[in-house]
Amino acid sequence: DAKTTQPNSMESNEEEPVHLPCNHSTISGTDYIHWYRQLPSQGPEYVIHGLTSNVNNRMASLAIAEDRKSSTLILHRATLRDAAVYYCISLNNAGNMLTFGGGTRLMVKP
Amino acid sequence: NAGVTQTPKFRILKIGQSMTLQCTQDMNHNYMYWYRQDPGMGLKLIYYSVGAGITDKGEVPNGYNVSRSTTEDFPLRLELAAPSQTSVYFCASRDRVLSGYTFGSGTRLTVV
Repeated sequence: DAKTTQPNSMESNEEEPVHLPCNHSTISGTDYIHWYRQLPSQGPEYVIHGLTSNVNNRMASLAIAEDRKSSTLILHRATLRDAAVYYCISLNNAGNMLTFGGGTRLMVKP
Repeated sequence: NAGVTQTPKFRILKIGQSMTLQCTQDMNHNYMYWYRQDPGMGLKLIYYSVGAGITDKGEVPNGYNVSRSTTEDFPLRLELAAPSQTSVYFCASRDRVLSGYTFGSGTRLTVV
């Protein structure tokens, strides 16, 4: 699994879009990008994952760069409940070894 | 649909004691995992299982044991607890190799 790099923290205003970046320059062609978030005192929660093309679901959108060396998680309208640590993980298709790094702590201001 | 259920939620152990952290899932997922999360850190994989009767070591297996006799249950055993095992433990599962993980709410363990 490729190493991922994320900013330690980001701030956003409530009801504005948030773009959370992730670099994964050593990713291989078959590695998937997964995003999870962890609210205070809770277990991680799956957000979204993708391989090459952009992905959308009810929680967020995932934009993957054409060279796949980076990706961006997009929260379209941040709410106070979106304040959490967001983890970006590169996962190969065997997919059984999943280690979370430090993640990005997102703070949402009212 | 309960998802992944972990018990207990909290536990205090004395050094040298043993205990079993329980994890059960009702989604018929083949893949199950145990992680630990130290304060302010990310998660590290302890053990995982790709199906009943099959287990394998993760990144930090020392001091722990697991078993997987059924699809639903994946208990984690701590033998001879040490202060270094003070952590929050998360169990997770998924149904296919390429699907997302579902996590339990965690067990907060303190060894004194």
